[in-house]
Amino acid sequence: DAGVIQSPRHEVTEMGQEVTLRCKPISGHNSLFWYRQTMMRGLELLIYFNNNVPIDDSGMPEDRFSAKMPNASFSTLKIQPSEPRDSAVYFCASSSTSGGRETQYFGPGTRLLVL
Amino acid sequence: AQSVTQPDIHITVSEGASLELRCNYSYGATPYLFWYVQSPGQGLQLLLKYFSGDTLVQGIKGFEAEFKRSQSSFNLRKPSVHWSDAAEYFCAVGESNTGKLIFGQGTTLQVKP
Repeated sequence: DAGVIQSPRHEVTEMGQEVTLRCKPISGHNSLFWYRQTMMRGLELLIYFNNNVPIDDSGMPEDRFSAKMPNASFSTLKIQPSEPRDSAVYFCASSSTSGGRETQYFGPGTRLLVL
Repeated sequence: AQSVTQPDIHITVSEGASLELRCNYSYGATPYLFWYVQSPGQGLQLLLKYFSGDTLVQGIKGFEAEFKRSQSSFNLRKPSVHWSDAAEYFCAVGESNTGKLIFGQGTTLQVKP
């Protein structure tokens, strides 16, 4: 299995630009999670989906952030407009069910730098 | 509210020495507990997990962790550290009804030759 795939791996953009991060979960997994990692706040959950439906987006920092999961094999996290404080590593993870005991498998992350 | 505390931000040990990384959690129900490792520039990899049963859990790469309910702890141990173990280690608790993971702040392990 290829594992969770994220693209791009690195993104450098200018303030005000739109940024789209992409994630392909492990085939057969029906839960998908987006995390953000920063030095100041550590790893924080932004949003998660179960069977392509957003369940909890309380971690999304503000309206500039949006996430979609149009099908079971693809999700996007969009930031529009981007700001320097959005610079972070964004991880996507997937698991086979939504129960708390299921292992989440993480992608390699997208390192975003907003200038 | 659920939370995870890793008291040690940074630990340095000599290669071959034993290791213990501390983790304390706050959770109202029976916790699902995880340890993940993150190598520089990489994603997170699961080391081990605890759901129920035997409180001593074995994981990959020679790691183990012990769940102590009375102390709300889930400390990670390894009897002999290798240079390749240098990484950042995260303890997490999984919410039983949502599957959300709540992470600690992480402990960075440095291994001296």
